[in-house]
Amino acid sequence: SAVISQKPSRDICQRGTSLTIQCQVDSQVTMMFWYRQQPGQSLTLIATANQGSEATYESGFVIDKFPISRPNLTFSTLTVSNMSPEDSSIYLCSGGGNTGELFFGEGSRLTVL
Amino acid sequence: AQSVTQLDSQVPVFEEAPVELRCNYSSSVSVYLFWYVQYPNQGLQLLLKYLSGSTLVKGINGFEAEFNKSQTSFHLRKPSVHISDTAEYFCAVGGASKLTFGTGTRLQVTL
Repeated sequence: SAVISQKPSRDICQRGTSLTIQCQVDSQVTMMFWYRQQPGQSLTLIATANQGSEATYESGFVIDKFPISRPNLTFSTLTVSNMSPEDSSIYLCSGGGNTGELFFGEGSRLTVL
Repeated sequence: AQSVTQLDSQVPVFEEAPVELRCNYSSSVSVYLFWYVQYPNQGLQLLLKYLSGSTLVKGINGFEAEFNKSQTSFHLRKPSVHISDTAEYFCAVGGASKLTFGTGTRLQVTL
């Protein structure tokens, strides 16, 4: 299986600030995605991180709020901008290859006060 | 479009009893189906997957699932559960690595 590493694993932030989450994957992964898991809920896809170009966002998510970078095949960042308490969630980086399955990092647990 | 319905939000069961977690899906294209497990304060771990071939799929930790195309189901089963199986279980459908997840089923195993 692929190895997905995320940091920070958790953080507590103040309203109005921004936080960048980093994700490193191993070479088996060709596609990278960012998911959000709100408390007690399932996973919602935020966007597909595209290497060297703008991410592809799902309905309800916009680049100004969740800017994503993927400068190379194995690294991506997600920024949660101008945070509010409603952004308190677990943010999960995931990667997939040709097998059709996704591998997940441990997640970044964000609390906004 | 793809969607997943997990019919039970919580399933309580005694240790060593059998369990079935239900999952129904809809998809307009060929499907890949997955079950993931999430232990408290951890990420998601793949339990098993159906891509093609045999409709009975065996996974880790003694779990198995059966793909039923006519009923559009992919129910997860284990003949005898353990306390350590207590976790959240997610069914997912997808293709080209882009997955849609169900709302999850909380499996609570007690003595």
